[in-house]
Amino acid sequence: DVVMTQTPPSLSVAIGQSVSISCKSSQSLVYSDGKTYLHWLLQSSGRSPKRLIYQVSNLDSGVPDRFSGTGSQKDFTLKISRVEAKDLGVYYCAQTTHFPLTFGSGTKLEIK
Amino acid sequence: QVQLKESGPGLVQPSQTLSLTCTVSGFSLTSYSVHWVRQHSGKSLEWMGRMWSDGDTSYNSAFTSRLSISRDTSKSQVFLKMNSLQTEDTGTYYCARNWRDWGQGVMVTVSS
Repeated sequence: DVVMTQTPPSLSVAIGQSVSISCKSSQSLVYSDGKTYLHWLLQSSGRSPKRLIYQVSNLDSGVPDRFSGTGSQKDFTLKISRVEAKDLGVYYCAQTTHFPLTFGSGTKLEIK
Repeated sequence: QVQLKESGPGLVQPSQTLSLTCTVSGFSLTSYSVHWVRQHSGKSLEWMGRMWSDGDTSYNSAFTSRLSISRDTSKSQVFLKMNSLQTEDTGTYYCARNWRDWGQGVMVTVSS
């Protein structure tokens, strides 16, 4: 199985600051079609997860451009600029290149 | 508007079978896949299996032969059946489409 290693496990940040979350996979996430199926999800407290970014860097509809995703092969980063209170929750990276589909262990973002 | 909603018993006895239903609206099961995902309390997400749009299925081998996913396209429903439940199967079960759209989840407790 592809292991998704997320760091850090938790972050405490002041409103307005920027943060980055790392996600490293144990195998390349480039599929045979040339695309990289690495996604970022946010799970707010008591809620279902929701996707923010798909295929490394594409923002889902309604997601502010304060969020950005970068990376390739096995190394990926989610950056949140100008953090707002509504950004708190647990962020997961997820890969859908290889079966079984797998998720990172999560990064909990707290607001100072 | 895309919606998914899980339903099923909140309490199952050990060694019994879990049966869950995911009822979808706003899209056709013959056009999109639906996944089942489990989350232990306070833990990350675990992909269980997928009903493809063509009716085929894929499973996480972690569930060996315990898991079965089926559907009724006329009712826009996807079903999960998992047998030989143990206490470690306690958690919240979600159905999801493309990681973008998720149900609200159903909490299942395995206990006598």
